[in-house]
Amino acid sequence: AQSVAQPEDQVNVAEGNPLTVKCTYSVSGNPYLFWYVQYPNRGLQFLLKYITGDNLVKGSYGFEAEFNKSQTSFHLKKPSALVSDSALYFCAVRDINAGNMLTFGGGTRLMVKP
Amino acid sequence: EAEVAQSPRYKITEKSQAVAFWCDPISGHATLYWYRQILGQGPELLVQFQDESVVDDSQLPKDRFSAERLKGVDSTLKIQPAELGDSAMYLCASSPSPEAGNTGELFFGEGSRLTVL
Repeated sequence: AQSVAQPEDQVNVAEGNPLTVKCTYSVSGNPYLFWYVQYPNRGLQFLLKYITGDNLVKGSYGFEAEFNKSQTSFHLKKPSALVSDSALYFCAVRDINAGNMLTFGGGTRLMVKP
Repeated sequence: EAEVAQSPRYKITEKSQAVAFWCDPISGHATLYWYRQILGQGPELLVQFQDESVVDDSQLPKDRFSAERLKGVDSTLKIQPAELGDSAMYLCASSPSPEAGNTGELFFGEGSRLTVL
């Protein structure tokens, strides 16, 4: 069975500083990995995905994520945080050998302070 | 830009009452998902449709929950009777079929927030 772990319930960072939101995964085969963002009382918005190829993927709003197969990680990063980045972030994994089901982590709340 | 439509956005009901949520996926998307998101947690899959057929409903509490997608387009999720523990956000998502180049990205609606009193 596939699973995702987001070890931090909350990440606090000052505006202008770099941010990292951590994610590790477990799948039996090759993973497709995703990051989504959720603002209060809204649905999930897609940020970026790793399917294959370059381990560093770039996405929306200046976010990027690094796939590390040996550490089974897919951490979300941004060089310079904005107050408007404050939201709930979800990592998700799909085992390409197990259909289309997407499994989500528990989420990490990002708080960016001015 | 095409979006997944959901209604109602908010629903307050008393326990033991029936409640229904509606979802209209992005046109042409063959796969439709219903997720439940309890406050402070990640979404959990309730049911997945491929066209009008159920692909996975292993996590759907079938004694009180039902879902249908009769014509393979829009879908309805029903709860009867509602219980206090059903209070959550119900998210609908859609995606193209694998044959259409789907790589797993889901497109979510705004969700329906249910409060059971």
